[in-house]
Amino acid sequence: DAKTTQPPSMDCAEGRAANLPCNHSTISGNEYVYWYRQIHSQGPQYIIHGLKNNETNEMASLIITEDRKSSTLILPHAMLRDTAVYYCMFNQAGTALIFGKGTTLSVSS
Amino acid sequence: GAVVSQHPSWVICKSGTSVKIECRSLDFQATTMFWYRQFPKQSLMLMATSNEGSKATYEQGVEKDKFLINHASLTLSTLTVTSAHPEDSSFYICSALQGLRGNEQFFGPGTRLTVL
Repeated sequence: DAKTTQPPSMDCAEGRAANLPCNHSTISGNEYVYWYRQIHSQGPQYIIHGLKNNETNEMASLIITEDRKSSTLILPHAMLRDTAVYYCMFNQAGTALIFGKGTTLSVSS
Repeated sequence: GAVVSQHPSWVICKSGTSVKIECRSLDFQATTMFWYRQFPKQSLMLMATSNEGSKATYEQGVEKDKFLINHASLTLSTLTVTSAHPEDSSFYICSALQGLRGNEQFFGPGTRLTVL
């Protein structure tokens, strides 16, 4: 069973920031937080991951709370092509990712 | 970099036949690959973990004799659906573990299997 909690859906206007929350209260100290997204009928795409510190890459930023029980994925300027199902997961490095239901993000113009 | 391919991208077969799906890591070596399947409007479900040179580890409820996994090299894992039935129709997705980049998993584009 999935170990994270995400809202089932969110809407965002094109060009605005999309902030996707995730609760992972049972995470252990050596487990990483991962975010992936899946556009319809494609394989999941890696977005970002982190352990304790906030992370940023060319796609997004990941903000992890100090107690590590929750995180937020930030897409700074959402585009129409960012419409997808976003999955938040955590695991020990090298183990399989277990997918929950994710958040369906709809970006509209 | 870190590209994973799958072949075929889609396949239609008759009930009772076997179908082989290939998963390749194109620009890195993957000692571990994972196989998932996804039914319509559902999330991905882990089927098995495939380690190069050893037997695959299957998740509870996945029949190892029906879903044969072979990981003969560091860049190739295969999933064979034996004696396929219509209920095996699904989207099969593999992922490969890239150890040098913080243990990120990179996913293939998926294979759509339809059993008639």
